[in-house]
Amino acid sequence: DTGVSQNPRHKITKRGQNVTFRCDPISEHNRLYWYRQTLGQGPEFLTYFQNEAQLEKSRLLSDRFSAERPKGSFSTLEIQRTEQGDSAMYLCASSLRTGGWETQYFGPGTRLLVL
Amino acid sequence: DQQVKQNSPSLSVQEGRISILNCDYTNSMFDYFLWYKKYPAEGPTFLISISSIKDKNEDGRFTVFLNKSAKHLSLHIVPSQPGDSAVYFCAASASDYGQNFVFGPGTRLSVLP
Repeated sequence: DTGVSQNPRHKITKRGQNVTFRCDPISEHNRLYWYRQTLGQGPEFLTYFQNEAQLEKSRLLSDRFSAERPKGSFSTLEIQRTEQGDSAMYLCASSLRTGGWETQYFGPGTRLLVL
Repeated sequence: DQQVKQNSPSLSVQEGRISILNCDYTNSMFDYFLWYKKYPAEGPTFLISISSIKDKNEDGRFTVFLNKSAKHLSLHIVPSQPGDSAVYFCAASASDYGQNFVFGPGTRLSVLP
């Protein structure tokens, strides 16, 4: 399977705990994106990487959120001191930027529930 | 301030008929538009796209129309099949303003047998 994979698929945690999610993009894709989706809404952009460089961060990404893509392959998204408002589906997408327009391909998501 | 709007939260269509899903946007800098389909417990799946240099793009049963002057696009599915029942998201990006996509809230399509 050469699609985008995300782990874990589900995470339940208590308020104040730290959580980390992993995304493995399609292997030849140089761009990786993180989105958050809540019920009844479309995905909202959080941040993206081109290779290992983090090029853009949304205002939604508070100081408690950090993302890395250390070797330009997989990425991790960490949320520190989780809050109930962090409960959402966290989606990862990857794309191949070759100039012009690009299409992003999404993974299945990690559903986070903060109690 | 929603830059991409999908004003119909849900739509029901009979199998074999046409489904028309609509999307409006406010940012005139958007120049690339995509439709994604999402089943429960899965990530969005890319369906079809259109750039601002075109007004129509077709792929099998799916056709996307773009009306730049009205800042409106639509997705036509003909004929509709029960397997098309899903949530459909419209997304837009502006190539000169970064690479993130802006998504609409989605329209839930139900195709009735």
